[in-house]
Amino acid sequence: NAGVMQNPRHLVRRRGQEARLRCSPMKGHSHVYWYRQLPEEGLKFMVYLQKENIIDESGMPKERFSAEFPKEGPSILRIQQVVRGDSAAYFCASSGQAQNTEAFFGQGTRLTVV
Amino acid sequence: QQPVQSPQAVILREGEDAVINCSSSKALYSVHWYRQKHGEAPVFLMILLKGGEQKGHEKISASFNEKKQQSSLYLTASQLSYSGTYFCGTGASGAGNMLTFGGGTRLMVKP
Repeated sequence: NAGVMQNPRHLVRRRGQEARLRCSPMKGHSHVYWYRQLPEEGLKFMVYLQKENIIDESGMPKERFSAEFPKEGPSILRIQQVVRGDSAAYFCASSGQAQNTEAFFGQGTRLTVV
Repeated sequence: QQPVQSPQAVILREGEDAVINCSSSKALYSVHWYRQKHGEAPVFLMILLKGGEQKGHEKISASFNEKKQQSSLYLTASQLSYSGTYFCGTGASGAGNMLTFGGGTRLMVKP
């Protein structure tokens, strides 16, 4: 499967726990973008990463959220001490170039905080 | 600031045409169109670049008016499979594929 892979597809966490969302980009893609989508709303940009570098995190909340894309392995979006408002679908997209090219989305991780 | 999409929702009969508009208050460098079905990932449809270049993978056409800072997506002879929510994402110069998405247009195609 050459597509963008995200796991888990569904994640339930109690308030105060940590959530770890993983994204493996398409083969040959080194640019990864994370978006958050609330029910019945559009996608909101969170962070843009390349291998070992955060390029832009202007859309990411300053506290509790962090992201990484290590040299080996998937990109990780980490949410510490989750609150009910963090419940959303989190999508990751990847592209082969920085711009002027299409970005492909994964199936998303649906986070529910109870 | 997110682009504004219109209409917010449209219902078509199979075979009819539709136009979805996307307007931005900022100068546009690129416009990316996606379709998303409920509970699924957004699927890439088309990218339009400043200067007129277009890249798409389906039989869907679009326009990009740099002066008016808007793009339109044209769906002709709609099929049932066209149903879903259409999003435009705008990219700024130097911002790569970091997109600012509109609120979406819900399209329902009925038999």
